[in-house]
Amino acid sequence: NAGVTQTPKFRVLKTGQSMTLLCAQDMNHEYMYWYRQDPGMGLRLIHYSVGEGTTAKGEVPDGYNVSRLKKQNFLLGLESAAPSQTSVYFCASSYYGESRNEQFFGPGTRLTVL
Amino acid sequence: GENVEQHPSTLSVQEGDSAVIKCTYSDSASNYFPWYKQELGKRPQLIIDIRSNVGEKKDQRIAVTLNKTAKHFSLHITETQPEDSAVYFCAASIFVMRSQGNLIFGKGTKLSVKP
Repeated sequence: NAGVTQTPKFRVLKTGQSMTLLCAQDMNHEYMYWYRQDPGMGLRLIHYSVGEGTTAKGEVPDGYNVSRLKKQNFLLGLESAAPSQTSVYFCASSYYGESRNEQFFGPGTRLTVL
Repeated sequence: GENVEQHPSTLSVQEGDSAVIKCTYSDSASNYFPWYKQELGKRPQLIIDIRSNVGEKKDQRIAVTLNKTAKHFSLHITETQPEDSAVYFCAASIFVMRSQGNLIFGKGTKLSVKP
């Protein structure tokens, strides 16, 4: 099993450009999440999904959109990138836990917006 | 909403010493407290967690304690080794069995273990 994978690993954008980050999981997990990680700020939730066809806003959703058309995939879109969106983006997934809510993270995407 | 404070932001210890990282949370409804470890350039991974019906949990050299009254929980690492060097994140959430609950993370503690 590959677990959680993310595409691409690195990307450099110019201000105003758009892009889509792809997250895929092969663990049949119901829940999926997108986080951004900035120095000294921890992991902040952007958007999440509790199942195929559903999405919801997290702590810092402005400037991002998401879609979950298939259970195994969760896409994060930046319509008009800004330098403030320079960050490392992590996708995660989790399952129906009986006693815990363990989130499995992907390897991350490092995005630079110039 | 929930707010999680984590201290210290950096911690340096000598190999073999103990390390303690502390977190406080604001929402008394939170009942699930995991700790994640992130090695340099890697993804965060769960290392230990505790639910509010338990005061302490241990797994080899790591342990977590929870004080519900004071709303704080701590990670204890004994006999530290160089491979313990990493950023550690605490988190809090409201856990309902077989349901979804968002994790609110602290800002992280960078632990350095000097050989």
